[in-house]
Amino acid sequence: SAVISQKPSRDICQRGTSLTIQCQVDSQVTMMFWYRQQPGQSLTLIATANQGSEATYESGFVIDKFPISRPNLTFSTLTVSNMSPEDSSIYLCSVVGAADTQYFGPGTRLTVL
Amino acid sequence: GENVEQHPSTLSVQEGDSAVIKCTYSDSASNYFPWYKQELGKGPQLIIDIRSNVGEKKDQRIAVTLNKTAKHFSLHITETQPEDSAVYFCAASIAGANNLFFGTGTRLTVIP
Repeated sequence: SAVISQKPSRDICQRGTSLTIQCQVDSQVTMMFWYRQQPGQSLTLIATANQGSEATYESGFVIDKFPISRPNLTFSTLTVSNMSPEDSSIYLCSVVGAADTQYFGPGTRLTVL
Repeated sequence: GENVEQHPSTLSVQEGDSAVIKCTYSDSASNYFPWYKQELGKGPQLIIDIRSNVGEKKDQRIAVTLNKTAKHFSLHITETQPEDSAVYFCAASIAGANNLFFGTGTRLTVIP
């Protein structure tokens, strides 16, 4: 399985500011995703991070709020823009490995005051 | 789209007993069903998965069963241990599409 790291592991931010979360994988992967997990809730897919092209967003998520970069096959960033307390969540990146299995990073725990 | 329901939301068992978590799905095209364990402060960890060409899969104390006709699948943990305490999520997808649809989670507590 792939080894996935995320930075930062947690952060506390003021409303109106932006935070960029990094996801690094130890091997090249084609498929990379970003999820949100609100407190005590399940995981919701935000977008698919496409290498070399714009991310594909799920219903309810827009590029202006969650811009994503994917400069190569091992790295991606998710920015949470113009944050409000409702953005307080765990943000997780995931990758698809062999046999379509999906592996998750450790997550970034974001608190917005 | 796919809708995955998961029950129960919380489950407490005595150490050594078995635990069963059940999920149903709505899209008959779904053919890949992973289970994840999430410990406090960590990301979800894949513990077992099953594809629609088999009805059961076992890995030591963990087993998963799938009933395609009824569109439900279950996680079975035998001889539970305190370290099994965590939140468990089921998911469903179409293999190759890679968009996982998650259940709402089950918080399992194993009482020593």
